[in-house]
Amino acid sequence: AQSVTQLDSHVSVSEGTPVLLRCNYSSSYSPSLFWYVQHPNKGLQLLLKYTSAATLVKGINGFEAEFKKSETSFHLTKPSAHMSDAAEYFCVVMAMASSNTGKLIFGQGTTLQVKP
Amino acid sequence: NAGVTQTPKFRVLKTGQSMTLLCAQDMNHEYMYWYRQDPGMGLRLIHYSVGEGTTAKGEVPDGYNVSRLKKQNFLLGLESAAPSQTSVYFCASGRGGLSNEQFFGPGTRLTVL
Repeated sequence: AQSVTQLDSHVSVSEGTPVLLRCNYSSSYSPSLFWYVQHPNKGLQLLLKYTSAATLVKGINGFEAEFKKSETSFHLTKPSAHMSDAAEYFCVVMAMASSNTGKLIFGQGTTLQVKP
Repeated sequence: NAGVTQTPKFRVLKTGQSMTLLCAQDMNHEYMYWYRQDPGMGLRLIHYSVGEGTTAKGEVPDGYNVSRLKKQNFLLGLESAAPSQTSVYFCASGRGGLSNEQFFGPGTRLTVL
C-alpha cells in the first residue's frame, strides 16, 4: 500500500532564511509525487510534480524538491522564505496502481510560518 | 475560464438535514473527485468519477452519495447530516494518468450542529 508521511506538522522560519519541508513516501511501485500549497481559506494549488524524469524538480515561486529513491524522500526546499510563503503544504503520492483513476494519497500537511 | 467552482461556500446544517454540494469544472476533465479536509489528517477521498455517468467509492464514502450526470458537474449529497460530517469539502478535477495533477476548487465549509 502507498502512503506518505510529512515529518513536521509545523515549521517556523524567518523571512529570508531557507525552507525545508520533509516528506517520506512508501510505495511498492515507482510513484508520481506532488507538492501542493494551501493558503488560508483557499483551495490547493500545485507547486511541483515528479513523474520519473529529472530527480530535481523545480516548481513555482522558487520552490524545488529532490526525489531520492534510496531514502524514499521528496523534501521541499526554497533558498529564501518570503512572507507570502506562509501556508499549509501537502506532500502527495499517486501510485502506479492508481494511474487509471488518478487517485491521490495526501500527507497530513505541514504548516509553514514565516516570521518577519 | 473559471477552473473548478463549488457551491455553496459555507453552510450550517442541523443533524438529520440533507444537502447537496455542487462542483463544476470548465476544463473538459474526465476525472472528478470529492475530498474532505479535517485538521491534522490531510485530505481524504470520499468519492470519485472517471467519466460522465460513473462513480466510485473512495477512502471515506459512508454517509455520502454522488452523481455525475453531466461531464462538467459532480454532486455530493448528504442524506442525513451528522456532526462527524463537519468539515471542509474540496472538489477536484483532472485528466487522470500518472503525471496529471488535480485542480482544486475553493472549498465548502460545512458545519453540522
